[in-house]
Amino acid sequence: VQLVESGGGVVQPGGSLRLSCVASGFTFRSYGMHWVRRAPGKGLEWVAFIRYDGSNKYYTESVKGRFTISRDNSKNTLYLEMSSLRAEDTAVYYCAKVQSVEIDYWGQGTLVTVS
Amino acid sequence: QSVLTQPPSASGTPGQRVTISCSGSNSNIGSNTVSWYQHLPGTAPKLLIYSDNLRPSGVPDRFFGSKSGTSASLAISGLQSEDEADYFCATWDAGLNGPDYVFGTGTTVT
Repeated sequence: VQLVESGGGVVQPGGSLRLSCVASGFTFRSYGMHWVRRAPGKGLEWVAFIRYDGSNKYYTESVKGRFTISRDNSKNTLYLEMSSLRAEDTAVYYCAKVQSVEIDYWGQGTLVTVS
Repeated sequence: QSVLTQPPSASGTPGQRVTISCSGSNSNIGSNTVSWYQHLPGTAPKLLIYSDNLRPSGVPDRFFGSKSGTSASLAISGLQSEDEADYFCATWDAGLNGPDYVFGTGTTVT
């Protein structure tokens, strides 16, 4: 199993960014996926979840209306569209695969800096 | 502010046993299974325990998970220097505005 995130970078407050996560080594279309972040000096924070078929999406309160999780099962790719970015969104963003309830695999992360 | 509370730190000498608690409520730990993750910043987090007390293949049996009511615990026995990391419990929470996947506040093991 491999999860490779990309798309991070430096963006000004109020700006937008799209993160991607390319999955391999498993049947991507069969599993739910999360985005999780870790800000400097803080703990892990769940950001969003999408079911295997994209039918349900859930978000942490602080990103509702600003972030959108999506997936393209034909491309084995997970996305996170981020807009109206704030300084407090600065973090390493990880994509993560769900086995049944737990996260069994994580990517290496991509750094988003809002400044 | 996380709904799962962990002690900020725990420490021990090599060979000792360390226990980390994770306190929640009926809407999360009390009604869903708990997972535990190990994380060194800059690396990918690692699953240590799932379904309250099961270890994935490759995780040493020095790591032991348990749950009772609305609290869970992770015990690390035979502490090794490579165990120095941050540890997080996690579970689903039946939030008022929809389900949330919640992580504990995290415990740094030294």
